[in-house]
Amino acid sequence: AQRVTQPEKLLSVFKGAPVELKCNYSYSGSPELFWYVQYSRQRLQLLLRHISRESIKGFTADLNKGETSFHLKKPFAQEEDSAMYYCALTKTSYDKVIFGPGTSLSVIP
Amino acid sequence: DTGVSQDPRHKITKRGQNVTFRCDPISEHNRLYWYRQTLGQGPEFLTYFQNEAQLEKSRLLSDRFSAERPKGSFSTLEIQRTEQGDSAMYLCASSLTGSMNTEAFFGQGTRLTVV
Repeated sequence: AQRVTQPEKLLSVFKGAPVELKCNYSYSGSPELFWYVQYSRQRLQLLLRHISRESIKGFTADLNKGETSFHLKKPFAQEEDSAMYYCALTKTSYDKVIFGPGTSLSVIP
Repeated sequence: DTGVSQDPRHKITKRGQNVTFRCDPISEHNRLYWYRQTLGQGPEFLTYFQNEAQLEKSRLLSDRFSAERPKGSFSTLEIQRTEQGDSAMYLCASSLTGSMNTEAFFGQGTRLTVV
């Protein structure tokens, strides 16, 4: 069965420092990978997806099939990046979305 | 607000009572999901629908849980004989399948407290 792991429950970085949130997955096929974000008192929302190869709010994520990873990176963290980040995958566009346990990012001013 | 809406936002119930939650997805979305989230955990998959058909139900889900989407629009999630372990945030999400855009849009959730 497919599974998503995020090894860090909490991550604190200083403003302006680089940030990397780790995500690993287990699935033998070619999944679709996503990062979702939940800001304080807001609903869960999509941040980015690997298929679009886009940069959103300065964040990027590269799918590494060899390491089965999809780490989220940003070169210079901002205070407004403080939030819960969830890595997620789906086997195909027609399958359910499975979420990881989440990483709480705190950016220290 | 044209996003996913859930009702009620909060529910406090006594152990043993039945509760029902409602989710109204984005109108053109054919896929609807239910998730459960407890403190410090990610959303845990419960079940999902494609139009009115229930495609999958989590094996971890007790028989006390049932969900319906009778006309392929809104959905209800019922929990019978609630237990304290059912206390959680219940999230609904919808998406449009069959396209490259598989983004799931979430509601604000229903927080259930069983006392």
